[in-house]
Amino acid sequence: QSALTQPASVSGSPGQSITISCTGTSSDVGIYDYVSWYQQHPGKAPKLIVYDVTNRPSGVSNRFSGSKSGNTASLTISGLQAEDEADYYCSSYTSSGTLLLFGGGTKLTVL
Amino acid sequence: QVQFVQSETEVKKPGASVKVSCEASQNILANYAIHWVRQAPGQSFEWMGWLSAGTGRTKYAEKFHGRVTITRDTSAKIAFMELSSLRYEDTAIYYCAAVIGSPGGLFAFDVWGQGTLVTVSS
Repeated sequence: QSALTQPASVSGSPGQSITISCTGTSSDVGIYDYVSWYQQHPGKAPKLIVYDVTNRPSGVSNRFSGSKSGNTASLTISGLQAEDEADYYCSSYTSSGTLLLFGGGTKLTVL
Repeated sequence: QVQFVQSETEVKKPGASVKVSCEASQNILANYAIHWVRQAPGQSFEWMGWLSAGTGRTKYAEKFHGRVTITRDTSAKIAFMELSSLRYEDTAIYYCAAVIGSPGGLFAFDVWGQGTLVTVSS
């Protein structure tokens, strides 16, 4: 069982928007703004798409946006495209000895 | 653009050790911390530990303490992750990763190696 909770799957049609949640605790997501989101296509290494809750690395589409409320962080993808179909993982710094936690991952299907 | 190239697939027996390498395209390890993260088949990720830039201090996740060692060579171009006393459940893809271009991003890994599959099998 992963320390951060994500829905196992979400789906949407091209052009629509979807939101993936990432629920932690007051020891991680709730008190630190060090939440990141990664996109992983099958057989590939992860790609950073959001960091520090809301920031996008250079070159990442502005269709990807992040937010946080309390112990839950969210990733929103607007204007869904076929190439967005992938697994998405959140991560958060934590005050525990593990230092970094990951979510269980969410499989996005573009219908 | 910094890139990491990792060593090839490994097959090990239970109880053995494995050492995975991660070579950077530039001599950056003196300036950037290197982290190791693993992903078991069909599973999420686990952070294993890091080796800091400069002093080369290490910090390991509690789960792996005593079994994992992260080092780098003196050229500051190659990092290594050694995992000992291998168990079947250590079968995973092992990645090296770093925060290079994410200003202020703590543990926001924007550069990853291609991954090294380590299979533990008798």
